[in-house]
Amino acid sequence: DQQVKQNSPSLSVQEGRISILNCDYTNSMFDYFLWYKKYPAEGPTFLISISSIKDKNEDGRFTVFLNKSAKHLSLHIVPSQPGDSAVYFCAAREGAQKLVFGQGTRLTINP
Amino acid sequence: NAGVTQTPKFQVLKTGQSMTLQCAQDMNHNSMYWYRQDPGMGLRLIYYSASEGTTDKGEVPNGYNVSRLNKREFSLRLESAAPSQTSVYFCASSESSGGRREAFFGQGTRLTVV
Repeated sequence: DQQVKQNSPSLSVQEGRISILNCDYTNSMFDYFLWYKKYPAEGPTFLISISSIKDKNEDGRFTVFLNKSAKHLSLHIVPSQPGDSAVYFCAAREGAQKLVFGQGTRLTINP
Repeated sequence: NAGVTQTPKFQVLKTGQSMTLQCAQDMNHNSMYWYRQDPGMGLRLIYYSASEGTTDKGEVPNGYNVSRLNKREFSLRLESAAPSQTSVYFCASSESSGGRREAFFGQGTRLTVV
């Protein structure tokens, strides 16, 4: 039972354009959502998060949008840079419960 | 500030051998986790510990045991390794309440079972 799903295994974007990564979830009790970035041979690093009481959170080039009615969140990266090429994971948790991850999306930024 | 430290970084085991993966965090976090990452499967939770003295199964606990030795340390044991346990293992820690609930990850242990 996959509670957090990232349906696009990969995404290719031109440098300078917008990258949009999507994530869907099934558990309506999730109250905190996070995005992680992972480079090869490294551990995932935290990127940005959003509480379920908000619908948008922005941090520099990164913005996360949450649509609770659709159980959908997205990560926007503007403008995309070559260093953004990595695997991106979305994750969700319910209160103090375990953190559940999606399958990941490999983002490639082309020069 | 070390954050989350995992040892070893690499390990090759023969089928049937046992080993323990060590994890320690210095952020005074209550919650600790063990995940495995496999191609196309994302990060799957093996076990987690919400606080010292408690552990709970995640999505894929079979073949593993854990020990929350104290608040800092959370170890993962493979009693009889199988080729299906070839994976990259990540330990993580987080606060269990409050505003900042992101998890911090170690660098990973790449395990190959032959």
